Order: sequence, then C-alpha cells, then structure tokens
Amino acid sequence: QKEVEQDPGPLSVPEGAIVSLNCTYSNSAFQYFMWYRQYSRKGPELLMYTYSSGNKEDGRFTAQVDKSSKYISLFIRDSQPSDSATYLCAMSASGTYKYIFGTGTRLKVLA
Amino acid sequence: EAQVTQNPRYLITVTGKKLTVTCSQNMNHEYMSWYRQDPGLGLRQIYYSMNVEVTDKGDVPEGYKVSRKEKRNFPLILESPSPNQTSLYFCASGASSSTDTQYFGPGTRLTVL
Repeated sequence: QKEVEQDPGPLSVPEGAIVSLNCTYSNSAFQYFMWYRQYSRKGPELLMYTYSSGNKEDGRFTAQVDKSSKYISLFIRDSQPSDSATYLCAMSASGTYKYIFGTGTRLKVLA
Repeated sequence: EAQVTQNPRYLITVTGKKLTVTCSQNMNHEYMSWYRQDPGLGLRQIYYSMNVEVTDKGDVPEGYKVSRKEKRNFPLILESPSPNQTSLYFCASGASSSTDTQYFGPGTRLTVL
C-alpha cells in the first residue's frame, strides 16, 4: 500500500462547478499537508499549505485536513478553464525534510 | 527574478555514460531537493540538502549522487545511467523550515537508451 493515495482522474467538470480533490494517507506522523498545481510541461507550484487538522481558505480554494480519517481535500469554487491542471497532494512529518507526494489528479474545466 | 534553473532541459544519453544535471537557485535558500516524476508513481524524492555539505537520502536514492558545495547549486549526478532512470527530474528549493514553500525548477526530461 502506498503511503499516499490519490485518484489520478481525469476529472472533467463544467466551468463554474465546485471541484473536490482528495488524498488519503497511512502514516499518522504526517503533520504538514500541501496541495500543488502543475500545468503541462511545468514544475509544480504550491497552492495551499495546512498544518495538522482543520480548514484553510484562500480565495476560491479551501484545503481541509481530517487527521482522524487520514484524509485531506482541496475544494475549488467557481472553477475556471485556467484551473485545468494536475493537482498533487504532498505531506511531511514534523522535523523532517522528506516529502511524500500523491500521484496527482488531472483536472479539466470545460468552458 | 526569483527562480530555480535546471540544465539541460532535455537530454538523451546511453546506458553507462556519466551525466550531471545542474540546479541553481537565486533565492538564498538553505533547502534544496531533487525529485523524479514518473507516470502512475507521481513525484518521488531522490535526495535533499538542508544546507551546504549536508545531504540526505529521499525515497529513491539508488543510482544517484548529489553534492552541495555552494548554497546556490545542487547538482544531480548519474554515474552510470540505466534505462530505468528515464524520467522527468525536478529540482526544488525552499527556506530553512520544512514548512516553507518549495519552489520547483522547470524540469529536465532525461532519456537513457
């Protein structure tokens, strides 16, 4: 079993839809949870970062962490065609510099 | 402009021919890391460095070497490349805390024949 599981998609939604992206993990030591966006032929860029459990909102993006269920989510409201990309979740444990990434979910927002 | 640069961007080589992929950052970051990205496997960490002369293994270090002689540079060395090292490679850098943003380079697509 992989430490981090993420549905690869692809996920196609109409413009304006609410998108839900998810990852599950098995290592209870993970404390830091990140979401990256990767456009085709580009390096990943950090979207959201959350420490421990709870919610964090930034514009149209909301990150949620449920440590009891070992489940994290990224919600995108009012999705736009420019949101079409691969979304990667990433995690690390406290005091380490080792990052474990999910395989990424490919999202396509249709105009 | 703050950035992470990698060279070369594309490389085709043959089995056993030593190669180096360079990585440089201009943000005075202490932390640097190398990843490889493969379909179905996602991004996997190869090596990372917390500061000059301090490096450690990630999840997939076999077949790779790194060095950190200067803060801004973190080259990835493949002493004897093999076809299973064909991949897309990313270098990243960040400030000293593990919670800080990692900035990724544009990637190096390596093909080993």
